[in-house]
Formats: sequence, structure tokens, C-alpha cells
Amino acid sequence: QVQLQQWGAGLLKPSETLSLTCAVYGGSFSNYYWSWIRQSPGKGLEWIGEINHSGRTNYNPSLKTRAAILVDTSKNQFSLNLNSVTAADTGVYYCARGGSTPMVLPFWGQGTLVTVSS
Amino acid sequence: QSALTQPPSASGSPGQSVTISCTGTSRDVGGYDYVSWYQQHPGKAPKYLIYEVKKRPSGVPGRFSGSKSGNTAYLTVSGLQAEDEADYYCSSYAASNNLLFGGGTKVTVL
Repeated sequence: QVQLQQWGAGLLKPSETLSLTCAVYGGSFSNYYWSWIRQSPGKGLEWIGEINHSGRTNYNPSLKTRAAILVDTSKNQFSLNLNSVTAADTGVYYCARGGSTPMVLPFWGQGTLVTVSS
Repeated sequence: QSALTQPPSASGSPGQSVTISCTGTSRDVGGYDYVSWYQQHPGKAPKYLIYEVKKRPSGVPGRFSGSKSGNTAYLTVSGLQAEDEADYYCSSYAASNNLLFGGGTKVTVL
């Protein structure tokens, strides 16, 4: 059974860098893309980007200049850095595993609430 | 790119059917058969219900079905049950390896 466990700082000040990590347990790490998605309070889902085991990335164009997704295959982990955060970046951040077809997300982490406030 | 367009709410009585629409463009929903649907209960992570427009993962009840016509995809929940009350999101592959989500539809079981 595939499980994703995520963690990171939950309270940031404006202009700081958001950093989250997601560890993968069970299943193959090298056969899939690994995504980050966020959800602003009371709002919908927004895809941030994805990475595969070799480090190939795809990003949401609206976040591409601030987001960086990295992979550590030795630990079966991947991470998200989002710089220059503002209050608009407040929300729940999820990590997720891709499926056998493009851009489907069968497995999700538990979510991490990140609040940006001065 | 803008999010896909979903109605904010939908409702039905137990046993009835409800259909949710998800409208995009020819560069996303209309251009690829990579539409997925997710169910999200309050405080929980989304759960995927449908992929590739109409395929159901194992374990998802047959009363959830998906379809697509042109630039609009649809999720139908037949035989509504109390536990179907949740938020539903569509997603679609978009050009240049991008993924778009809809704004979400809150389904209420009356």
C-alpha cells in the first residue's frame, strides 16, 4: 500500500521560503511523477508542479518563477520550495503520486497547513 | 491558464442522480482524454473517483460515472447516498505538461 507522509514549517512570515518534504512508503518510486498541490482556505485545488525520479520537472506557469521541486531517490523523498511567500500562499499543501496515465493523482499525503502572516 | 469551470453547488435527494459539469477549452478538456474527478470530504485529502474521462479505479462504486462532450466533462452520481455529500473537483491535462483543476462543486444530499 502506497503511503505519503509530509512535513514542513507551518507558519511563515512574508518574503520567507516555504519548504515541505514528502516521504513515500510502499510501491515503486521510479515509475511515477510526484506532485505538489495546494488549496487556499475555502477555495479549490491548484497544481504546483511535479518531478520524476530522474529530476525532470513540470510546473504550473503561474508559480514557475517561485517554485522548485527536488527529489532525493536515496530516501524516496521529494520536496517543495516556494520563495517570496505572501498571504496569498496560505493554505493546505498536499503531496501526491501520479498514476499510469498523465496527470492523474491516485495517492495523496495528509496535507500540511501553511500560514503566511507577519 | 484559468481554472476549469464548475457550478459551485448541486443537490439531490437520496436515491436521485446529480450531474456536475466541468468546462474548459480545446487546449485542455476538449483536447485530451485525461480528465479526472476527485471527491473531498471536509478536512480530508481528495480521493480520485474517475480517470481518463470515464474509467473507475478499483474500489470506486459503479454509481460514479464520467463522460465528456466537446470542451465539457461530466460526473454523474447515481443513487445518491448520504456519504456522497462532499466537494467534487475535476482536473484535466493541459498543453505543455500542465494540470488544471476546476473550482469545485459542493454536493448536498437533501
